[in-house]
Amino acid sequence: EAGVTQSPTHLIKTRGQQATLRCSPISGHTSVYWYQQALGLGLQFLLWYDEGEERNRGNFPPRFSGRQFPNYSSELNVNALELEDSALYLCASSFSGPPGSTEAFFGQGTRLTVV
Amino acid sequence: GENVEQHPSTLSVQEGDSAVIKCTYSDSASNYFPWYKQELGKGPQLIIDIRSNVGEKKDQRIAVTLNKTAKHFSLHITETQPEDSAVYFCAASSRTNAGKSTFGDGTTLTVKP
Repeated sequence: EAGVTQSPTHLIKTRGQQATLRCSPISGHTSVYWYQQALGLGLQFLLWYDEGEERNRGNFPPRFSGRQFPNYSSELNVNALELEDSALYLCASSFSGPPGSTEAFFGQGTRLTVV
Repeated sequence: GENVEQHPSTLSVQEGDSAVIKCTYSDSASNYFPWYKQELGKGPQLIIDIRSNVGEKKDQRIAVTLNKTAKHFSLHITETQPEDSAVYFCAASSRTNAGKSTFGDGTTLTVKP
Protein backbone atom coordinates (compact mmCIF):
# COMPACT_ATOMS: atom_id res chain seq x y z
CA GLU A 1 0.00 0.00 0.00
CA ALA A 2 1.32 3.43 -0.96
CA GLY A 3 2.28 5.81 1.80
CA VAL A 4 1.82 9.56 1.85
CA THR A 5 3.19 11.01 -1.37
CA GLN A 6 4.31 14.58 -1.87
CA SER A 7 5.27 16.48 -5.00
CA PRO A 8 7.52 17.94 -6.09
CA THR A 9 10.43 16.62 -4.02
CA HIS A 10 12.38 19.80 -4.63
CA LEU A 11 11.22 23.28 -5.60
CA ILE A 12 13.28 26.40 -6.22
CA LYS A 13 11.50 29.75 -6.33
CA THR A 14 12.46 33.40 -6.39
CA ARG A 15 11.53 35.74 -3.57
CA GLY A 16 8.05 37.17 -4.17
CA GLN A 17 6.83 34.23 -6.25
CA GLN A 18 4.18 31.71 -5.26
CA ALA A 19 4.78 28.03 -4.49
CA THR A 20 2.29 25.18 -4.67
CA LEU A 21 3.00 21.92 -2.89
CA ARG A 22 0.89 18.79 -3.24
CA CYS A 23 0.10 15.85 -0.98
CA SER A 24 -1.75 12.58 -1.51
CA PRO A 25 -2.76 10.84 1.72
CA ILE A 26 -2.75 7.15 2.43
CA SER A 27 -5.83 5.47 0.98
CA GLY A 28 -8.68 5.66 3.47
CA HIS A 29 -7.21 8.62 5.35
CA THR A 30 -9.32 11.78 5.32
CA SER A 31 -7.20 14.06 7.52
CA VAL A 32 -4.17 15.87 6.14
CA TYR A 33 -1.67 17.90 8.15
CA TRP A 34 1.02 20.29 6.94
CA TYR A 35 4.22 21.06 8.86
CA GLN A 36 7.23 23.27 8.16
CA GLN A 37 10.67 22.00 9.15
CA ALA A 38 13.37 24.64 8.81
CA LEU A 39 16.93 23.31 8.49
CA GLY A 40 18.09 21.72 11.73
CA LEU A 41 14.90 22.59 13.56
CA GLY A 42 11.78 20.80 14.74
CA LEU A 43 8.44 20.64 13.02
CA GLN A 44 6.09 23.61 13.16
CA PHE A 45 2.38 22.98 12.64
CA LEU A 46 0.89 24.81 9.66
CA LEU A 47 -2.56 23.47 8.79
CA TRP A 48 -4.98 20.62 9.40
CA TYR A 49 -7.65 19.60 6.89
CA ASP A 50 -10.34 17.04 7.56
CA GLU A 51 -13.20 16.05 5.27
CA GLY A 52 -12.44 18.97 2.96
CA GLU A 53 -12.49 21.65 5.64
CA GLU A 54 -9.70 23.60 7.32
CA ARG A 55 -9.98 22.60 10.99
CA ASN A 56 -6.99 24.33 12.55
CA ARG A 57 -3.97 26.44 11.60
CA GLY A 58 -0.71 27.29 13.29
CA ASN A 59 0.93 30.64 13.88
CA PHE A 60 1.77 31.41 10.28
CA PRO A 61 0.78 34.47 8.22
CA PRO A 62 -2.21 34.33 5.84
CA ARG A 63 0.06 33.97 2.82
CA PHE A 64 0.30 30.33 3.87
CA SER A 65 -2.94 28.71 2.74
CA GLY A 66 -4.20 25.51 1.30
CA ARG A 67 -7.14 23.34 0.52
CA GLN A 68 -8.28 19.74 0.52
CA PHE A 69 -9.94 18.22 -2.51
CA PRO A 70 -12.88 15.78 -2.61
CA ASN A 71 -10.42 12.88 -3.02
CA TYR A 72 -8.72 14.06 0.22
CA SER A 73 -5.52 15.13 -1.49
CA SER A 74 -4.28 18.52 -0.43
CA GLU A 75 -2.42 21.53 -1.70
CA LEU A 76 -0.33 24.02 0.25
CA ASN A 77 0.14 27.46 -1.29
CA VAL A 78 2.72 29.95 -0.15
CA ASN A 79 2.34 33.42 -1.61
CA ALA A 80 4.84 36.28 -1.71
CA LEU A 81 7.72 33.94 -0.88
CA GLU A 82 10.38 35.16 1.52
CA LEU A 83 13.89 33.79 1.98
CA GLU A 84 12.97 32.43 5.41
CA ASP A 85 10.27 30.26 3.86
CA SER A 86 13.06 27.96 2.70
CA ALA A 87 12.38 24.70 4.52
CA LEU A 88 11.22 21.11 4.23
CA TYR A 89 7.43 21.03 4.05
CA LEU A 90 5.98 17.83 5.39
CA CYS A 91 2.52 16.42 4.88
CA ALA A 92 0.99 13.77 7.12
CA SER A 93 -2.30 11.91 6.96
CA SER A 94 -4.50 9.96 9.34
CA PHE A 95 -7.98 8.54 9.60
CA SER A 96 -10.64 11.11 10.34
CA GLY A 97 -10.16 13.02 13.54
CA PRO A 98 -7.20 14.71 15.22
CA PRO A 99 -4.14 13.02 16.65
CA GLY A 100 -5.09 11.39 19.88
CA SER A 101 -7.52 9.08 18.21
CA THR A 102 -5.29 7.74 15.45
CA GLU A 103 -1.73 7.72 14.22
CA ALA A 104 -0.44 10.19 11.62
CA PHE A 105 2.01 9.11 8.92
CA PHE A 106 4.37 11.50 7.13
CA GLY A 107 5.46 11.81 3.54
CA GLN A 108 9.03 12.44 2.42
CA GLY A 109 8.51 16.18 2.19
CA THR A 110 9.04 18.91 -0.37
CA ARG A 111 12.28 20.86 -0.06
CA LEU A 112 11.44 24.47 -0.91
CA THR A 113 14.34 26.81 -1.58
CA VAL A 114 13.69 30.53 -2.00
CA VAL A 115 16.47 32.48 -3.68
CA GLY B 1 -0.20 27.04 23.99
CA GLU B 2 1.56 23.72 24.31
CA ASN B 3 5.32 23.67 24.76
CA VAL B 4 7.42 20.53 24.39
CA GLU B 5 11.02 20.40 25.54
CA GLN B 6 13.27 17.54 24.48
CA HIS B 7 16.63 16.46 25.93
CA PRO B 8 19.36 15.81 25.10
CA SER B 9 19.82 17.47 21.73
CA THR B 10 22.59 15.02 20.84
CA LEU B 11 23.29 11.55 22.20
CA SER B 12 26.14 9.22 21.34
CA VAL B 13 26.19 5.60 22.56
CA GLN B 14 28.13 2.45 21.85
CA GLU B 15 26.41 -0.31 19.93
CA GLY B 16 24.54 -2.54 22.36
CA ASP B 17 24.07 0.17 24.98
CA SER B 18 20.72 1.73 25.86
CA ALA B 19 19.60 5.21 24.85
CA VAL B 20 17.06 7.37 26.69
CA ILE B 21 15.47 10.56 25.35
CA LYS B 22 13.23 12.66 27.57
CA CYS B 23 10.48 15.16 26.83
CA THR B 24 8.36 17.41 29.00
CA TYR B 25 5.11 19.08 28.01
CA SER B 26 3.15 21.98 29.44
CA ASP B 27 -0.51 21.39 28.54
CA SER B 28 -2.21 19.09 31.04
CA ALA B 29 -4.91 18.42 28.42
CA SER B 30 -2.38 16.65 26.15
CA ASN B 31 -3.51 13.08 25.63
CA TYR B 32 -1.41 11.61 22.79
CA PHE B 33 2.38 11.34 22.62
CA PRO B 34 3.99 9.91 19.47
CA TRP B 35 7.69 9.43 18.81
CA TYR B 36 9.15 9.79 15.32
CA LYS B 37 12.45 8.75 13.79
CA GLN B 38 13.77 10.85 10.94
CA GLU B 39 16.62 9.65 8.78
CA LEU B 40 18.56 12.00 6.55
CA GLY B 41 16.53 13.12 3.55
CA LYS B 42 13.37 11.36 4.69
CA GLY B 43 10.15 12.29 6.41
CA PRO B 44 9.55 11.40 10.08
CA GLN B 45 8.51 7.79 10.70
CA LEU B 46 6.20 6.94 13.59
CA ILE B 47 7.99 4.38 15.77
CA ILE B 48 5.84 4.23 18.89
CA ASP B 49 3.12 6.22 20.60
CA ILE B 50 1.37 6.33 23.95
CA ARG B 51 -1.94 7.69 25.10
CA SER B 52 -2.63 9.41 28.39
CA ASN B 53 -4.51 6.47 29.87
CA VAL B 54 -1.40 4.26 29.67
CA GLY B 55 1.83 4.50 31.69
CA GLU B 56 4.15 2.38 29.56
CA LYS B 57 4.24 0.73 26.16
CA LYS B 58 6.84 -1.60 24.64
CA ASP B 59 7.54 -2.74 21.12
CA GLN B 60 10.56 -5.05 20.90
CA ARG B 61 13.64 -2.88 21.67
CA ILE B 62 11.66 0.34 22.02
CA ALA B 63 9.63 1.47 25.01
CA VAL B 64 7.91 4.68 26.01
CA THR B 65 6.93 5.74 29.51
CA LEU B 66 4.52 8.50 30.50
CA ASN B 67 4.25 10.33 33.81
CA LYS B 68 1.14 12.50 33.61
CA THR B 69 1.66 14.04 37.03
CA ALA B 70 5.12 15.29 36.15
CA LYS B 71 4.14 15.91 32.52
CA HIS B 72 7.03 14.05 31.04
CA PHE B 73 7.51 11.07 28.76
CA SER B 74 10.59 9.18 27.68
CA LEU B 75 11.77 6.97 24.84
CA HIS B 76 13.97 4.02 25.72
CA ILE B 77 15.92 2.09 23.09
CA THR B 78 17.72 -1.04 24.27
CA GLU B 79 20.48 -3.00 22.52
CA THR B 80 21.12 -0.10 20.15
CA GLN B 81 22.32 -0.80 16.62
CA PRO B 82 24.07 1.50 14.09
CA GLU B 83 20.83 1.64 12.08
CA ASP B 84 19.16 3.30 15.06
CA SER B 85 21.25 6.39 14.27
CA ALA B 86 18.83 9.16 13.28
CA VAL B 87 17.04 12.23 14.63
CA TYR B 88 14.25 11.38 17.07
CA PHE B 89 11.33 13.71 17.74
CA CYS B 90 8.77 13.57 20.51
CA ALA B 91 5.39 15.24 20.11
CA ALA B 92 2.30 16.00 22.14
CA SER B 93 -1.29 16.53 21.04
CA SER B 94 -3.88 18.27 23.14
CA ARG B 95 -7.66 17.96 23.13
CA THR B 96 -7.80 21.76 23.45
CA ASN B 97 -5.97 22.38 20.17
CA ALA B 98 -7.33 19.73 17.85
CA GLY B 99 -5.25 18.54 14.92
CA LYS B 100 -2.04 20.17 16.09
CA SER B 101 0.91 18.18 17.30
CA THR B 102 3.64 20.16 19.05
CA PHE B 103 7.07 18.69 18.44
CA GLY B 104 10.25 18.78 20.45
CA ASP B 105 13.38 20.09 18.78
CA GLY B 106 14.77 16.63 18.16
CA THR B 107 17.61 14.44 19.44
CA THR B 108 20.39 13.34 17.12
CA LEU B 109 21.27 9.80 18.16
CA THR B 110 24.56 8.32 16.99
CA VAL B 111 25.25 4.65 17.65
CA LYS B 112 28.94 3.84 17.29
CA PRO B 113 29.81 0.34 16.07
